[in-house]
Amino acid sequence: DARVTQTPRHKVTEMGQEVTMRCQPILGHNTVFWYRQTMMQGLELLAYFRNRAPLDDSGMPKDRFSAEMPDATLATLKIQPSEPRDSAVYFCASAREAQPQHFGDGTRLSIL
Amino acid sequence: GENVEQHPSTLSVQEGDSAVIKCTYSDSASNYFPWYKQELGKRPQLIIDIRSNVGEKKDQRIAVTLNKTAKHFSLHITETQPEDSAVYFCAASKTSGTYKYIFGTGTRLKVLA
Repeated sequence: DARVTQTPRHKVTEMGQEVTMRCQPILGHNTVFWYRQTMMQGLELLAYFRNRAPLDDSGMPKDRFSAEMPDATLATLKIQPSEPRDSAVYFCASAREAQPQHFGDGTRLSIL
Repeated sequence: GENVEQHPSTLSVQEGDSAVIKCTYSDSASNYFPWYKQELGKRPQLIIDIRSNVGEKKDQRIAVTLNKTAKHFSLHITETQPEDSAVYFCAASKTSGTYKYIFGTGTRLKVLA
């Protein structure tokens, strides 16, 4: 059963530190989405890529967040510098044409 | 702008009863409507979806109905069981795969034994 893989699963760090979250989409999926979820709230879309090109990052705070796809098997989301309000669960999802999005297990981030 | 409203935000039902969650979307170009279930501490998982050329779809105890004219769609769960307790999210999109979903705010369903 193919799955989206996210690392790390948990991250605790101090305010001001750089945080990097990684996502390996399902093989053959050409679209990757990054979401943020706080306290079982809604799924807030931060950015998404199709065929490695960024399509929409309007949901992402540009001053501290950046998202990239160095290659088709890896997507990264970075926060620098991190702040306590960034504490949340970050989900990655991937999809291909005419198929629904599949979510990874998420990275639970705590900024102290 | 694009928006999906979801109601109710919380729902408690007795085991064996039915549960209905309703969503309304704003973008008339939307033609794909998935529903995701998220258990505590877990990832959202697709439970059922419907495309705009279909008015109703059923899979065992769950069903989804779509009214394109009114721009609303609903999730129906019959014979609810304790394991149905979770947060349910509806979404609307212009396509199933490679376009962004607009998610509703979620419904926390509690099935009381």
